[in-house]
Amino acid sequence: GAVVSQHPSRVICKSGTSVKIECRSLDFQATTMFWYRQFPKQSLMLMATSNEGSKATYEQGVEKDKFLINHASLTLSTLTVTSAHPEDSSFYICSARDPLVPRSDNEQFFGPGTRLTVL
Amino acid sequence: GQNIDQPTEMTATEGAIVQINCTYQTSGFNGLFWYQQHAGEAPTFLSYNVLDGLEEKGRFSSFLSRSKGYSYLLLKELQMKDSASYLCAVSPVFNQGGKLIFGQGTELSVKP
Repeated sequence: GAVVSQHPSRVICKSGTSVKIECRSLDFQATTMFWYRQFPKQSLMLMATSNEGSKATYEQGVEKDKFLINHASLTLSTLTVTSAHPEDSSFYICSARDPLVPRSDNEQFFGPGTRLTVL
Repeated sequence: GQNIDQPTEMTATEGAIVQINCTYQTSGFNGLFWYQQHAGEAPTFLSYNVLDGLEEKGRFSSFLSRSKGYSYLLLKELQMKDSASYLCAVSPVFNQGGKLIFGQGTELSVKP
């Protein structure tokens, strides 16, 4: 199957700083990537849909000015958490669609996740 | 609104069979996915159903009834490594770029 990587895998930062998380599709071109957030013992909550070459689509309740998404190429999307606070501490996971994979098959490929801890 | 319900946790014995249920109410339907997630790791794909009926893949099977908004994941011959969280996810609208809505996940504990 296709491979999606995330970097960094773990980051600890001070309150008020900004953190950038990268999501890359390694062996396919992804026109669409998704960003999820997962709090402990909870499920994945979709934050936004990242479209290559256009603005991201944010889910209701997600602040677009706080969570900046850039999808500058077909293999890279970045999520920047601006002015991070302790309540932003979470597990951030990206996923990507391979448009060549039929919808009857595994539709999204998930990255390994980034554990963000804001002190 | 979108709503996907699963039991929060389940316990089963090694070698047994367990069924994890999922009910959904979404604005549209374009398929239902089951994922397995171990703590601190990304979800891994298990199955996809878009038509009514049973899909079997080795020890794992998934069933869908669209009229009832209902699915289940069946795990046979349970192994200790099957202890994980199982996520039910629905793709609500065709051609919405693959957007998925996830249930809260079912934490399965397999005991000896």
